[in-house]
Amino acid sequence: SAVISQKPSRDICQRGTSLTIQCQVDSQVTMMFWYRQQPGQSLTLIATANQGSEATYESGFVIDKFPISRPNLTFSTLTVSNMSPEDSSIYLCSVLEVNNEKLFFGSGTQLSVL
Amino acid sequence: SQKIEQNSEALNIQEGKTATLTCNYTNYSPAYLQWYRQDPGRGPVFLLLIRENEKEKRKERLKVTFDTTLKQSLFHITASQPADSATYLCALGSSGSARQLTFGSGTQLTVLP
Repeated sequence: SAVISQKPSRDICQRGTSLTIQCQVDSQVTMMFWYRQQPGQSLTLIATANQGSEATYESGFVIDKFPISRPNLTFSTLTVSNMSPEDSSIYLCSVLEVNNEKLFFGSGTQLSVL
Repeated sequence: SQKIEQNSEALNIQEGKTATLTCNYTNYSPAYLQWYRQDPGRGPVFLLLIRENEKEKRKERLKVTFDTTLKQSLFHITASQPADSATYLCALGSSGSARQLTFGSGTQLTVLP
């Protein structure tokens, strides 16, 4: 099973600033995803991070707000740009186990925007 | 639109009893259903996957059933322990890609010693 290191684990940020979250996997993976989990809510898929090409965003999420990088098969970053209090949430990266539809998750980044 | 409902209330049970969590869905024909466990401050951890052509799956003290007619999955933890206390998420998937995975909002389970 994949081991995922995600950082920072938590941060408190000021309105209008940006935060970049890093996700490092201990093995090469094809499929990597970024999720958001708002308090008391289910996980919502933000985008699929594609290696060597632009990320695929889900409805309601745009690249200008959530730029994603995927320079290789073990690393990705998600930036939350021009933050507002509504962006306060847990952000999770995850990877797909090949042939099994099983997701492995990082421990998440708890973001609070003041 | 697709909708997944899990036990709306938190579930408290006594140690040693069987915990039963419910996942109901509408407007969906999933190819498979998964259950995850999430502890506070942690990401979800995969527990079990059951496919549409399977009625029941077991793993140690865990049992999952999948009734595509009722559009319901039941998740059982037998001989529950305080260490089983966590939030449990169900997720429904279509064939082909985990990008199609849709999560429920979870049920918080507390096992009382």
